[in-house]
Amino acid sequence: KAGVTQTPRYLIKTRGQQVTLSCSPISGHRSVSWYQQTPGQGLQFLFEYFSETQRNKGNFPGRFSGRQFSNSRSEMNVSTLELGDSALYLCASSPATGGRADTQYFGPGTRLTVL
Amino acid sequence: DQQVKQNSPSLSVQEGRISILNCDYTNSMFDYFLWYKKYPAEGPTFLISISSIKDKNEDGRFTVFLNKSAKHLSLHIVPSQPGDSAVYFCAASAASGTYKYIFGTGTRLKVLA
Repeated sequence: KAGVTQTPRYLIKTRGQQVTLSCSPISGHRSVSWYQQTPGQGLQFLFEYFSETQRNKGNFPGRFSGRQFSNSRSEMNVSTLELGDSALYLCASSPATGGRADTQYFGPGTRLTVL
Repeated sequence: DQQVKQNSPSLSVQEGRISILNCDYTNSMFDYFLWYKKYPAEGPTFLISISSIKDKNEDGRFTVFLNKSAKHLSLHIVPSQPGDSAVYFCAASAASGTYKYIFGTGTRLKVLA
């Protein structure tokens, strides 16, 4: 099975711009989660989508949004970029076949740099 | 409020010796814990997990121990190998129907040859 793929791998934007990141989960996985990784902060949970619905949301401002399509692919959008948004954005998918969280499998991430 | 804490940002161990990585949590609702390994420029890779009904889970050179009363878990790697050099994250989730994981800040392990 192909793993989780994320595009693009690297992105450079300037303050005030917006950006869209894409994630294709492992085939058959229905849950997609997004995380932001910055030095010293670990992985901060952004949101989780399941069957095209946002099921969980972390403590990020409304500038961060996402969606999931019927094929489980997901996109994340950040509007009005700030310097502090520079980070590695990771997508993770899981089967979500049970009634609880199960093992998540991560993509390689998108490295976003805001100038 | 950091609900999952990895208080050691880095650890160096000699090849062949045991590596012990620690993780503390504050939320007593957490009942499922995982360890991930992350190399530079790659996403985290799942290593091993443990449910709160157990106090130990073993997979090859990796063993995770869970002490619920202390709200503490640890990852033991025996014997440590240079290829184990990476950042290790612990993560926790609750069975209450929330489907998200809370991650620690990571511990950078360096195994010296």
